[in-house]
Amino acid sequence: NAGVTQTPKFQVLKTGQSMTLQCAQDMNHNSMYWYRQDPGMGLRLIYYSASEGTTDKGEVPNGYNVSRLNKREFSLRLESAAPSQTSVYFCASTPTASQGEKLFFGSGTQLSVL
Amino acid sequence: TQLLEQSPQFLSIQEGENLTVYCNSSSVFSSLQWYRQEPGEGPVLLVTVVTGGEVKKLKRLTFQFGDARKDSSLHITAAQPGDTGLYLCNHEKLTFGTGTRLTIIP
Repeated sequence: NAGVTQTPKFQVLKTGQSMTLQCAQDMNHNSMYWYRQDPGMGLRLIYYSASEGTTDKGEVPNGYNVSRLNKREFSLRLESAAPSQTSVYFCASTPTASQGEKLFFGSGTQLSVL
Repeated sequence: TQLLEQSPQFLSIQEGENLTVYCNSSSVFSSLQWYRQEPGEGPVLLVTVVTGGEVKKLKRLTFQFGDARKDSSLHITAAQPGDTGLYLCNHEKLTFGTGTRLTIIP
């Protein structure tokens, strides 16, 4: 089982460029999440999708958009990248959005915006 | 959004020593999770605590949930180099703590 797969693993962008981070899970989970982690910091929630067809803003949604393409896939788009978006991005999934569910994480995408 | 503060931010100790790290909030948690993250990887769940006063043990790791459900602690006995990592507390998947970066020196 691959679990949660993120692509790409590394990306360098110039300010103003756009890109989409891809995330797919093969565990038939209903809920999916996008976090960012800045150096030496904990994770901050960008957007989440409690179930297929729904998306909600997290703590730091500005500058990002998401698409829950189907049950397996949840993508994160940067329309006009800024240096402040340099970070490591993690996708995660859980069986449901219920209390106490375990988060399963991908291995991250390291993004640098110059 | 609940703010989760973890302390200390950094901790470096010798192999074999004991240590405790903390996760605190001004609000009441419905539940709390502890994760460990190693370099280049996503966090991995260690434990979920739900009931005030609850104590859970995972080998040399002991997790305690405060009676008022506003704080939690993680105690490691006889630390080993394999315990090195970033320890994060999390509430309801929405809020992560600031993290404690633990280094165990062989």
